Amino acid sequence: QQQVKQSPQSLIVQKGGISIINCAYENTAFDYFPWYQQFPGKGPALLIAIRPDVSEKKEGRFTISFNKSAKQFSLHIMDSQPGDSATYFCAAIHNTDKLIFGTGTRLQVFP
Amino acid sequence: NAGVTQTPKFQVLKTGQSMTLQCAQDMNHNSMYWYRQDPGMGLRLIYYSASEGTTDKGEVPNGYNVSRLNKREFSLRLESAAPSQTSVYFCASSDYVTSTDTQYFGPGTRLTVL
Repeated sequence: QQQVKQSPQSLIVQKGGISIINCAYENTAFDYFPWYQQFPGKGPALLIAIRPDVSEKKEGRFTISFNKSAKQFSLHIMDSQPGDSATYFCAAIHNTDKLIFGTGTRLQVFP
Repeated sequence: NAGVTQTPKFQVLKTGQSMTLQCAQDMNHNSMYWYRQDPGMGLRLIYYSASEGTTDKGEVPNGYNVSRLNKREFSLRLESAAPSQTSVYFCASSDYVTSTDTQYFGPGTRLTVL
């Protein structure tokens, strides 16, 4: 029952580079798309989120791009830093249904 | 403000043993959740409680039971542990079960079933 597909599974980026993580969904009723960041040994924490009525949302170095017609959304991390090394999960939810998570992307940023 | 706390942090069980994972939140949230995290599978919802006094099944409820003890506490019980239940378990809470309400996660319990 994987309704949100996430890629790549792992990503290695050099410091200062751009990290891009992609997600695709099937259920067109989804109306909220959060991204969670998880550091080793910790629980996930909300990073940034978007509604489908906007095509892009930016918070600092983190940007979500949303393509409603393609049913895809992606997370871009500009000027990636070693401190960004973590696992990133995309997710989707409709109304009072439950959050559906992607399978996660392990990002490693090397100096 | 501790947020969401979970006990224990680590646990090793033998097949067939039982145990209860404890979760508490101090944010006065109405909704609480239990997830399991497995490599390559992301986070999957086991059970949730939309409000005090209610519980509902999530995606993977088999082999588990839950109790919403009060508004603060939500426990997860494994009656007869199986190796397939080896996982990291996360408790989360949110204001309500609606789209935009952020879920706050605890630090997790790493469970190994031998």
